[in-house]
Amino acid sequence: EADIYQTPRYLVIGTGKKITLECSQTMGHDKMYWYQQDPGMELHLIHYSYGVNSTEKGDLSSESTVSRIRTEHFPLTLESARPSHTSQYLCASSVRGDNSPLHFGNGTRLTVT
Amino acid sequence: GENVEQHPSTLSVQEGDSAVIKCTYSDSASNYFPWYKQELGKRPQLIIDIRSNVGEKKDQRIAVTLNKTAKHFSLHITETQPEDSAVYFCAAFAYSGAGSYQLTFGKGTKLSVIP
Repeated sequence: EADIYQTPRYLVIGTGKKITLECSQTMGHDKMYWYQQDPGMELHLIHYSYGVNSTEKGDLSSESTVSRIRTEHFPLTLESARPSHTSQYLCASSVRGDNSPLHFGNGTRLTVT
Repeated sequence: GENVEQHPSTLSVQEGDSAVIKCTYSDSASNYFPWYKQELGKRPQLIIDIRSNVGEKKDQRIAVTLNKTAKHFSLHITETQPEDSAVYFCAAFAYSGAGSYQLTFGKGTKLSVIP
């Protein structure tokens, strides 16, 4: 089934560790996004991509980085995790075009101790 | 860039009553307005959307209205049920500069339907 997949679903990690949150979509979408969201709260755009080798920073300043080497894959990396990074991270994708809804993954709930 | 204001932030209604959530946007060039529902612990899911050439759209108990002149759009849920309890996000799609089009989200409305 075409969908957008995020792993891991939950992650507890110590301060200073490097982590990569995985996001893959099988819908053939060009555009992909990363949002940070505390549960039930506002969605903050931290990174987005229009296609392979395209990455842009979003509205919320973030210490994370992203890469887009393949159309279907958009991983997010934190070089050195901090307690302030504790949050939920949602990946999303959409087709290229003006009036395109976003499809969200199930999210990764990150806790940094 | 686009700015989307959403009200109220929390809303409690009795089961069977109607619920209305309102959003305003700042960019008159915005042309697409989706609404997302996010149940507790789950991902946001698209429930209805409307484009700027349409004033109203209905899907069973859910409707969205758009007033382009006033730059506001609203979500209407009739005959509310406990399973409608969730956080609802409005969004507006607009040009955000440097050839970039983005969805800007409101801050969300937590709807509680009381049985």
